[in-house]
Amino acid sequence: GESVGLHLPTLSVQEGDNSIINCAYSNSASDYFIWYKQESGKGPQFIIDIRSNMDKRQGQRVTVLLNKTVKHLSLQIAATQPGDSAVYFCAESRGETGANNLFFGTGTRLTVIP
Amino acid sequence: DAGVTQSPTHLIKTRGQQVTLRCSPKSGHDTVSWYQQALGQGPQFIFQYYEEEERQRGNFPDRFSGHQFPNYSSELNVNALLLGDSALYLCASSGTGVLRTRLFGPGTRLTVT
Repeated sequence: GESVGLHLPTLSVQEGDNSIINCAYSNSASDYFIWYKQESGKGPQFIIDIRSNMDKRQGQRVTVLLNKTVKHLSLQIAATQPGDSAVYFCAESRGETGANNLFFGTGTRLTVIP
Repeated sequence: DAGVTQSPTHLIKTRGQQVTLRCSPKSGHDTVSWYQQALGQGPQFIFQYYEEEERQRGNFPDRFSGHQFPNYSSELNVNALLLGDSALYLCASSGTGVLRTRLFGPGTRLTVT
C-alpha cells in the first residue's frame, strides 16, 4: 500500500449520501485487493475484495472499482449510514490464498454526519 | 466461536524490557499472521506462522520473534523494547482458503515508556 505519512486522510459525508474512498497502490505485481473497515478498538473487518482480472465488483451497498493502469482502487458506499463511520483501508496482495500477505495503505477516516 | 482472540488487551512496558503477546486463531484456521499498526497508519506485516514454522517475514528486526503451538495458537515476542514499538499488534488467522477468510483479532495495545 502507499504510505502517505502520519496524517490520516478524512472524509465527512451526510447521512444518506454516497461515499467514495480512494486508494493508490504501489505494487504492479499485486493481483488481489481487499477493502477493510476498522472501528475504534477493533481489528480490521473484511468488506469486499476484487481480483486484478476484474474492474468492478458489487456487494451489499458497496462497490469496488479497480483501475490497473493508474494503480488505483476506490470504494463506493451507497446511502451512507452512521454505522459506516470508521477508518477504511485498502490492502493488496500477490495472490489470494491464505499463504499470502497483505500490504495495507494508510487508511481514510470516514465520518457520517447525522 | 469466539473468532480470533488476543491477550492481553493493553500492556505498558519500559524501554529495554521484553514482551510476549498471545493469539488464539478462529476454530478451523491453521495459519496465523501478525501485524503492527502504529497510530494513524495501516497495519504492517510482521510474520506468518504455519505448521509451527515461520513461513514469511516482513521488514522487522530480529528483536521480533514468534512461535506457533500444535493447537495453532501463537505468540509474538519483542525483545529490547524501543519507544517506537508502541503500537496496536494485530493477529490474523486464516485457513487454507482464500485471503477473504482472513479474520483479524481486536489487537493488543502496547505502550512503551
